[in-house]
Order: sequence, then structure tokens, then C-alpha cells
Amino acid sequence: DAGVIQSPRHEVTEMGQEVTLRCKPISGHDYLFWYRQTMMRGLELLIYFNNNVPIDDSGMPEDRFSAKMPNASFSTLKIQPSEPRDSAVYFCASSFSGRYYEQYFGPGTRLTVT
Amino acid sequence: AQSVTQPDIHITVSEGASLELRCNYSYGATPYLFWYVQSPGQGLQLLLKYFSGDTLVQGIKGFEAEFKRSQSSFNLRKPSVHWSDAAEYFCAVGEGNTPLVFGKGTRLSVIA
Repeated sequence: DAGVIQSPRHEVTEMGQEVTLRCKPISGHDYLFWYRQTMMRGLELLIYFNNNVPIDDSGMPEDRFSAKMPNASFSTLKIQPSEPRDSAVYFCASSFSGRYYEQYFGPGTRLTVT
Repeated sequence: AQSVTQPDIHITVSEGASLELRCNYSYGATPYLFWYVQSPGQGLQLLLKYFSGDTLVQGIKGFEAEFKRSQSSFNLRKPSVHWSDAAEYFCAVGEGNTPLVFGKGTRLSVIA
């Protein structure tokens, strides 16, 4: 089992640029979560999907953030335009409905916006 | 509001010493309780979980945790710490099918 795959692992971009983070969940998992981790705020849930449908996006900070899940094996988190305060580590996690809370995390994408 | 508190931001223990990391929660009913570990540059890994039944649960890597309803606590313990246990530890709580709420984490340093 390859686990949750995220790309890129590191991203450095300039303010105002569009950033796209990618996630491939574990095969068979029907829940997918996007988290953001910062020193100040800790681990925050941004959005989560069930069977490719967004269930709760109340954690998405602003309209600059958007997430999609076009199929069961792929999701994207997009920031447009990016700002320095978006600098953080972004994690994707997945689980399956029989064990909803047993979330498997990817290695994360460290985003730096200059 | 639901909340999870990890009172210790950073703990340092000697290798071979025992360890206890504290976690307190504020929830209406008996929640589901979890401990995750994050090694540097890695994602979070589930250490152990409590849903119901025996209040002392065993996890991976020799860790255990005890649910104490009267104290609203779910403290993580290990009898003898190894240098490889140095990491960040997160307590998390869920209820029903609501999203997990994570504590701010406790960073564990292990010295020789």
C-alpha cells in the first residue's frame, strides 16, 4: 500500500501566483481531508469530501482557496492568488467510512509564499 | 464549543525514563479519542484510539493511553522512552461523524 501521496513536497512561490497542491488518497478510502498546519494555529481542517462530494468547507479561510475532487483517486487544493500568510504545511488525509476517524495522513506539502 | 487541550508544549525526558503526555477535552458526551505522532518532516501517524470498552488502550510502538471520564482526560504513556520517540504528539477528539479536533501538540525531546 503506497499510502496517501501528496505533491509537490515543497513549493516556493511569489505572492500573487496560483498554487495547486495535489493528493492521491489510499485506494478504497471514501473520505478525503485537507488540513493546514502552522505554528500559530496548529492543525486546522480546511475541507473534507465523502465520495468525491464536499461535505464541509467551513474551514476554508477565504475565497482564494478552492478544492476539488474530480474522482475517487485525486484531489486538488488551489490558492489563487497566494499570499505570504498562506505559508504553511498542507496535509491531505483519507479514511473509509467504516473507520471514519482513522485517518491516514500524507507527508504534506510545505508551501512558502514570498 | 468542543476543545482539546494539551497543556505541555514541550517535554524533555531521558532515554529509558517513563513518559506521560497529557490531554484534556471538553465534549458533551463520550467522544472518540485518538493520539497521533508526527516525526519531523512527516505526516501524522495514528498511535492508538479509544471508542468504547476497556479504558486502557494499547497502541503501536509500546504506547498506551487511559481514558478517565471523571477527569475528561486521555493521557498517553510509555514506560521506557527510546530516542526514536522524539516527535510531536497530537491528541484528537471526535464525536458522531463530526470532524476530528486536534490539540496543539506536545513536542517530545529525548536526551541521553
